[in-house]
Amino acid sequence: DAGVTQSPTHLIKTRGQQVTLRCSPKSGHDTVSWYQQALGQGPQFIFQYYEEEERQRGNFPDRFSGHQFPNYSSELNVNALLLGDSALYLCASSLQGASGYTFGSGTRLTVV
Amino acid sequence: AQSVTQLDSQVPVFEEAPVELRCNYSSSVSVYLFWYVQYPNQGLQLLLKYLSGSTLVESINGFEAEFNKSQTSFHLRKPSVHISDTAEYFCASKVSTGGTSYGKLTFGQGTILTVHP
Repeated sequence: DAGVTQSPTHLIKTRGQQVTLRCSPKSGHDTVSWYQQALGQGPQFIFQYYEEEERQRGNFPDRFSGHQFPNYSSELNVNALLLGDSALYLCASSLQGASGYTFGSGTRLTVV
Repeated sequence: AQSVTQLDSQVPVFEEAPVELRCNYSSSVSVYLFWYVQYPNQGLQLLLKYLSGSTLVESINGFEAEFNKSQTSFHLRKPSVHISDTAEYFCASKVSTGGTSYGKLTFGQGTILTVHP
């Protein structure tokens, strides 16, 4: 049973560029959440998607946007990249009505 | 608003010694509590969770945590650590809205546990 799959694993982008990160949830899960983990920090909630809609959002600017597809997979888009966007981006999937989350291994984004 | 505070950023300990990683939470409503472990260059793995019922929860690899509502704490303990326990540990909370997973996890800053031989 595959867990949460994130791609790519590593990415280097230039300041001002745009990036798309992808997440496939664990089989049977219908909810996807995204977190940003800066070096030496705990993960910070970006947003959560359920039924293809953004259900809750953390304190992140509009440069951060997302999408969920009918197969429950999800994308995180970041526009106008800043050096401070360099971080590990984690995807977590879950099933509505349950309390458990399964995290992927993350995408390491470096903005230069 | 929720917040989670991990009181120690780094905890060094010798192999086979006991360890306690401290976590305090702040919330105006009932919460679920979690401990996650993160090994270098990996994602988060759930270690244990408190949802309701018994205040003492255990993991399969010897860790335990006790929910203390009066002290708003959820400290993680292990009576005898191994080299392989070296990792970063995160405490997290989530508002307990009727069991739904709708809603965010709020994480602490993390505690790096280093087990020395």
